[in-house]
Amino acid sequence: DAKTTQPNSMESNEEEPVHLPCNHSTISGTDYIHWYRQLPSQGPEYVIHGLTSNVNNRMASLAIAEDRKSSTLILHRATLRDAAVYYCIRDGSGAGSYQLTFGKGTKLSVIP
Amino acid sequence: DTGVSQDPRHKITKRGQNVTFRCDPISEHNRLYWYRQTLGQGPEFLTYFQNEAQLEKSRLLSDRFSAERPKGSFSTLEIQRTEQGDSAMYLCASSFDYGTVSGNTIYFGEGSWLTVV
Repeated sequence: DAKTTQPNSMESNEEEPVHLPCNHSTISGTDYIHWYRQLPSQGPEYVIHGLTSNVNNRMASLAIAEDRKSSTLILHRATLRDAAVYYCIRDGSGAGSYQLTFGKGTKLSVIP
Repeated sequence: DTGVSQDPRHKITKRGQNVTFRCDPISEHNRLYWYRQTLGQGPEFLTYFQNEAQLEKSRLLSDRFSAERPKGSFSTLEIQRTEQGDSAMYLCASSFDYGTVSGNTIYFGEGSWLTVV
């Protein structure tokens, strides 16, 4: 089961932090956790990924629970350009599977 | 622009016609993927190439669908005898195998929209 569970939608005020949760209770030890986002009429865009440790990059931070059954994508200051659908995905490439299974994601709305 | 390039971006075709989409991956990326996305849904995996070898195929890829990557660079996705249910956005993506266990980050193109009327 390569599924993850995310809320269907979330709202945030502009310039405030956003915490997007994801549950992946059946994740295996070699699965990476990836986050992608998709703006309307565009292809998905890579945001961040991690395995066990928390990760930071210029776009976001990824906090991974110690038991790895959940993770949180953190946007430190939401902007209007962050309004998108955010997908949390298990990457099974460590076990030789290269297909990413997308759910419906979380639609993030940013309120000016 | 060195991103994944897809052509055409939009295609309207009559039911029963054949259509072909082309994908040019990021230079030197040895892995190439095709996904399909319908309105309100996340992308669904169709197939994956490592260089010119097609290594994974989804059961979504019916006999009417064929994908090729003849020289390990660009790829084509052909749909024969199109049906209205084929209307979707077809996404191509690519990645590079760094040979280490570091996760497989893939980079998507803008997609090719297909409307079957």
